Amino acid sequence: AQTVTQSQPEMSVQEAETVTLSCTYDTSENNYYLFWYKQPPSRQMILVIRQEAYKQQNATENRFSVNFQKAAKSFSLKISDSQLGDTAMYFCAFMKHETGVFSSNTGKLIFGQGTTLQVKP
Amino acid sequence: NAGVTQTPKFRILKIGQSMTLQCTQDMNHNYMYWYRQDPGMGLKLIYYSVGAGITDKGEVPNGYNVSRSTTEDFPLRLELAAPSQTSVYFCASTERGEQYFGPGTRLTVT
Repeated sequence: AQTVTQSQPEMSVQEAETVTLSCTYDTSENNYYLFWYKQPPSRQMILVIRQEAYKQQNATENRFSVNFQKAAKSFSLKISDSQLGDTAMYFCAFMKHETGVFSSNTGKLIFGQGTTLQVKP
Repeated sequence: NAGVTQTPKFRILKIGQSMTLQCTQDMNHNYMYWYRQDPGMGLKLIYYSVGAGITDKGEVPNGYNVSRSTTEDFPLRLELAAPSQTSVYFCASTERGEQYFGPGTRLTVT
């Protein structure tokens, strides 16, 4: 079974600085996806960034980037130029690549415990 | 598109009561999911469906039931509510792996 571990329950960063959130996972699969989700106080789940395991290049989305180390099973999220609106809980999630009846990825996610990020003015 | 909608937003149940959490998506997605999120924790998969008429258990299915009679709707039924079911419930749908989440239902069982 797959597991996802986020070892930092809480983090804080000053506005405009850079912060890195850690995530490790355990799997025997070779083909999978990794995600970072943001959950602000509104509790809406917002996809921040996605990484396909078969891609060696690290994913980036504007101020958000990942450091994907497949051999080490590590998937950290770097937030550059932190903004007050980045204050939220962040979840790392794993999805095994498996196709279903309709030949699309079945999309079952396994989440870590979350890291609460506070951006201070 | 409204995306994924859930009703109600909040509910308080007494122990032993039953209720149905509603979930609807208008994106014509085949895959739909129910997750629960306990305080300070990540989401855990309760049930999922790969299409109308097809459902399967996730990681924490005990105490819940689902049905999928249409592509759009995926209701979650709680029978004999227990305090351990106090949680926030999220419905999601997906196509090609990217999940779209509803706004969640906060349920308290007392």
